[in-house]
Amino acid sequence: EAGVTQSPTHLIKTRGQQATLRCSPISGHTSVYWYQQALGLGLQFLLWYDEGEERNRGNFPPRFSGRQFPNYSSELNVNALELEDSALYLCASSLEGGKADTQYFGPGTRLTVL
Amino acid sequence: AQSVTQLGSHVSVSEGALVLLRCNYSSSVPPYLFWYVQYPNQGLQLLLKYTSAATLVKGINGFEAEFKKSETSFHLTKPSAHMSDAAEYFCAVSGPFGNEKLTFGTGTRLTIIP
Repeated sequence: EAGVTQSPTHLIKTRGQQATLRCSPISGHTSVYWYQQALGLGLQFLLWYDEGEERNRGNFPPRFSGRQFPNYSSELNVNALELEDSALYLCASSLEGGKADTQYFGPGTRLTVL
Repeated sequence: AQSVTQLGSHVSVSEGALVLLRCNYSSSVPPYLFWYVQYPNQGLQLLLKYTSAATLVKGINGFEAEFKKSETSFHLTKPSAHMSDAAEYFCAVSGPFGNEKLTFGTGTRLTIIP
């Protein structure tokens, strides 16, 4: 069974540009989560999508947005990039989005903003 | 609000020695607790999870954790450390309900001394 996949592996952008990160969940999983792992800030929850709807959002500005497609894959968009957006962005998926559901993580996309 | 605290950002143990990584939680409702491991330049892998079924939880790679409500703790242990255990370990709590994000601790980097 294929795990969570993310693309691209690395992404280099300059300040002010937009970045698009993609995630494909494990087959059969309907929930997708996005987390940011920035140096010195730990793992921070960004967004949760389930059945195509945004269910919860972390404490991030509106320039962080995303969507979930009918096939349950997801896209994270970061507009007006700032230097502090440089981080590893991790996507996770779970079966139903329940409290006890295990979240399975992808390998991440490393975003570097110059 | 849910939170976890990991005591010790860095832990070093000798190969073959006991591994003990500490995690304390704060939760207004019965928590669901997780331990994840992250190897360099990789995503997170689930080691084990507590969902109120049994207080002693066995995970992969010989790790286990014990849920102690009286101490609000969920420490991770392994009887005998192996060089391959060198990684960063994260404790996380989910819930409480309806917004099933994971809230992570700050992580503990485990170093194994040959």
